[in-house]
Amino acid sequence: NAGVMQNPRHLVRRRGQEARLRCSPMKGHSHVYWYRQLPEEGLKFMVYLQKENIIDESGMPKERFSAEFPKEGPSILRIQQVVRGDSAAYFCASSTRQPDGENTIYFGEGSWLTVV
Amino acid sequence: GQSLEQPSEVTAVEGAIVQINCTYQTSGFYGLSWYQQHDGGAPTFLSYNALDGLEETGRFSSFLSRSDSYGYLLLQELQMKDSASYFCAVTGDYKLSFGAGTTVTVRA
Repeated sequence: NAGVMQNPRHLVRRRGQEARLRCSPMKGHSHVYWYRQLPEEGLKFMVYLQKENIIDESGMPKERFSAEFPKEGPSILRIQQVVRGDSAAYFCASSTRQPDGENTIYFGEGSWLTVV
Repeated sequence: GQSLEQPSEVTAVEGAIVQINCTYQTSGFYGLSWYQQHDGGAPTFLSYNALDGLEETGRFSSFLSRSDSYGYLLLQELQMKDSASYFCAVTGDYKLSFGAGTTVTVRA
């Protein structure tokens, strides 16, 4: 039973390029979350999605960032026109239901974005 | 919104006991979780408390006081492999929000 799969694990982009990070949730999980982690810092919530719906994007920067979780295929976090400050680890997590109780959320290994 | 406070780092020797405190402020609260993260790795779930009291899972225990908006993670019989970052997280407003993490360093 595969866990949460993220790819690519490492991505290098030049300033101004686009970064696309993919996340396949655990089998049977229909709730996906994206978090960003800067070096020596905690995990910052970005967005919570269910299939074809964005439930909460309160942690997502208003510009350049978007996320989707289509009916078929992985969830995608897209960062347009990347800047050096976007360099971080981006973690995806998934769960079987919404986080309203004892609901273990499982994390992927992360995607490390470096903007040069 | 949510805010969580936990110490930034703790150092202890093998075999010792370490307690990591977490205080939180949240507009909605379902429970307090603890996650462990080794350098460069995925955060892994350790424990969850929804009700007041102590939950024990092997060498690790977690405590919650809802009235004090306070919890702690207790690491007993510390081992070198316990060197990692530990995050408290609150479930509220339909999302999981994390503290900044406590780096635990175990010395021989």
